[in-house]
Amino acid sequence: GESVGLHLPTLSVQEGDNSIINCAYSNSASDYFIWYKQESGKGPQFIIDIRSNMDKRQGQRVTVLLNKTVKHLSLQIAATQPGDSAVYFCAENLGPRGAGGTSYGKLTFGQGTILTVHP
Amino acid sequence: DTGVSQDPRHKITKRGQNVTFRCDPISEHNRLYWYRQTLGQGPEFLTYFQNEAQLEKSRLLSDRFSAERPKGSFSTLEIQRTEQGDSAMYLCASSLGSVGLLHFGNGTRLTVT
Repeated sequence: GESVGLHLPTLSVQEGDNSIINCAYSNSASDYFIWYKQESGKGPQFIIDIRSNMDKRQGQRVTVLLNKTVKHLSLQIAATQPGDSAVYFCAENLGPRGAGGTSYGKLTFGQGTILTVHP
Repeated sequence: DTGVSQDPRHKITKRGQNVTFRCDPISEHNRLYWYRQTLGQGPEFLTYFQNEAQLEKSRLLSDRFSAERPKGSFSTLEIQRTEQGDSAMYLCASSLGSVGLLHFGNGTRLTVT
């Protein structure tokens, strides 16, 4: 079926280490992917996105890698800080297309990975 | 704060009661989404509006659920005859254009006792 899933439900790292969170997706037609961070009691917060015509995109301390061959997405966080502790979700755009190929932006989320950063 | 606003933040209700949640999207955003999130899971799509038109509804949205966006600005989500299984975080998101990037509010946590 069509789904987005995560390989590791939990990840514990030491402050200053680099973190890698992985995600597998099954819909080869998905062309837009987003990583969200969710802290307790809050809604998902945008971290970084990538379109399927790219393999890599970098932000501030974060990098997203997309491997379309194996349908794999990863989020790399450099120099992880305690404030990075949260649940991380990957999401793919499975929404229908309108005229001109406009996406409706309906996202399908994976289960999430809990990242814990120890001081 | 000009982000997505949801009200109330928490709602406790007894089974069988009706509840209504409100979402105020980012003002220039024409698209509005409702998602539901249960503990330990990612958000699940419920419904989507473009301006005032409700364009898609998930099979998760039973007949007891209704959403409106009467003037293409704020939206309401009503659940009638609540059941314990309705207990969840209800998230609203908005977006602009065709990028697909959703901006989420902090949700309304519903507890049905």
